[in-house]
Amino acid sequence: NAGVTQTPKFQVLKTGQSMTLQCAQDMNHEYMSWYRQDPGMGLRLIHYSVGAGITDQGEVPNGYNVSRSTTEDFPLRLLSAAPSQTSVYFCASSYIPEVAGRSQYFGPGTRLLVL
Amino acid sequence: EDQVTQSPEALRLQEGESSSLNCSYTVSGLRGLFWYRQDPGKGPEFLFTLYSAGEEKEKERLKATLTKKESFLHITAPKPEDSATYLCAVQAPGTYKYIFGTGTRLKVLA
Repeated sequence: NAGVTQTPKFQVLKTGQSMTLQCAQDMNHEYMSWYRQDPGMGLRLIHYSVGAGITDQGEVPNGYNVSRSTTEDFPLRLLSAAPSQTSVYFCASSYIPEVAGRSQYFGPGTRLLVL
Repeated sequence: EDQVTQSPEALRLQEGESSSLNCSYTVSGLRGLFWYRQDPGKGPEFLFTLYSAGEEKEKERLKATLTKKESFLHITAPKPEDSATYLCAVQAPGTYKYIFGTGTRLKVLA
């Protein structure tokens, strides 16, 4: 199993550009999520999904869109990038957390720099 | 407000010098407390899940404990390869959302 994969590893954008961060998992996990990690702020939840066609907002959803058309893929879209979106983005997946304590598997991250 | 606070922010230990990291939380109805390890430039790696006060789990030199208000990650006789950032997280009650602390950066010197 490849686990959770993310592409690209690193991206530089100009303010106003759009892009999609890709995330895929091959563990048949129902739950997938996106986090951003900033110095001193910890991991903050952007959006999450509990299955194909079902998404919801996390703590910091503004400026980001998601969709979940398949169990395996959960792309994150930046419609108009802003310097405040410079961060490291992590995708994670797990079995549905209906039962308490489902640990999440994280991808290697995408480093995004918005100029 | 549900919150997770980790201390200290950073910790330097000599090889073999045991210590503890703290994770305090304010959530009602804890559904799970998670410990992760994160190496520089990589994603977090799961270590432990604790469900109820009094529970303990061990893995090599690491031991996690849980009370009603906090969790401790005890590191016994650490080695340089234990150097990493250790993250604590809780599942927010009644939701599918996880709340992370800001982490403790551990450096173990040879």
